[in-house]
Amino acid sequence: KAGVTQTPRYLIKTRGQQVTLSCSPISGHRSVSWYQQTPGQGLQFLFEYFSETQRNKGNFPGRFSGRQFSNSRSEMNVSTLELGDSALYLCASSLEDGGSYNEQFFGPGTRLTVL
Amino acid sequence: AQSVAQPEDQVNVAEGNPLTVKCTYSVSGNPYLFWYVQYPNRGLQFLLKYITGDNLVKGSYGFEAEFNKSQTSFHLKKPSALVSDSALYFCAVRDSLNYGGATNKLIFGTGTLLAVQP
Repeated sequence: KAGVTQTPRYLIKTRGQQVTLSCSPISGHRSVSWYQQTPGQGLQFLFEYFSETQRNKGNFPGRFSGRQFSNSRSEMNVSTLELGDSALYLCASSLEDGGSYNEQFFGPGTRLTVL
Repeated sequence: AQSVAQPEDQVNVAEGNPLTVKCTYSVSGNPYLFWYVQYPNRGLQFLLKYITGDNLVKGSYGFEAEFNKSQTSFHLKKPSALVSDSALYFCAVRDSLNYGGATNKLIFGTGTLLAVQP
């Protein structure tokens, strides 16, 4: 099976712009989560989607939003970019089959640089 | 508050020696614990998990972890380190304080850089 894919891998934007990142989960996985990784704050949870519904949300401002499509692909959007939004954005997918808790599989990430 | 602590920013070990990367946790209820590894410019790779059952969990690449409920620890171990094991290791716990439904949200530790010298 193909792993989690994220596009683009690298992005350079300027302050005030907006950006959309895309994530395709492993086939059959319906849960998609997003994390932000920075040297100062580490790995922080952004939000989680399951069957097109946001199931959980982290402590990020409203400039960060996301959605999930019927094929489980997910996008996240950041509007009015700030310098502090520069980070590695990681997407993870998980199989939910009603059984025991399943681990998440992570994509390679999108490296966002805000100038 | 739920949290994960990795007390060592860096662990240095010689190739062939055993390694231990420490992790302690604080959660409400039964913990679901995970170890992930991150190589430079890569995403996180799953190593192993503890959900229930045996306290010694075996995972990928010869790694194992020992769950200790009384010490609230979940240390990662390997009997013989390889230079290729050099990477950033993260311990994580599933958030058990969700808002009334299931969640896959993970709370991560700050990471431990493992350096294996030849």
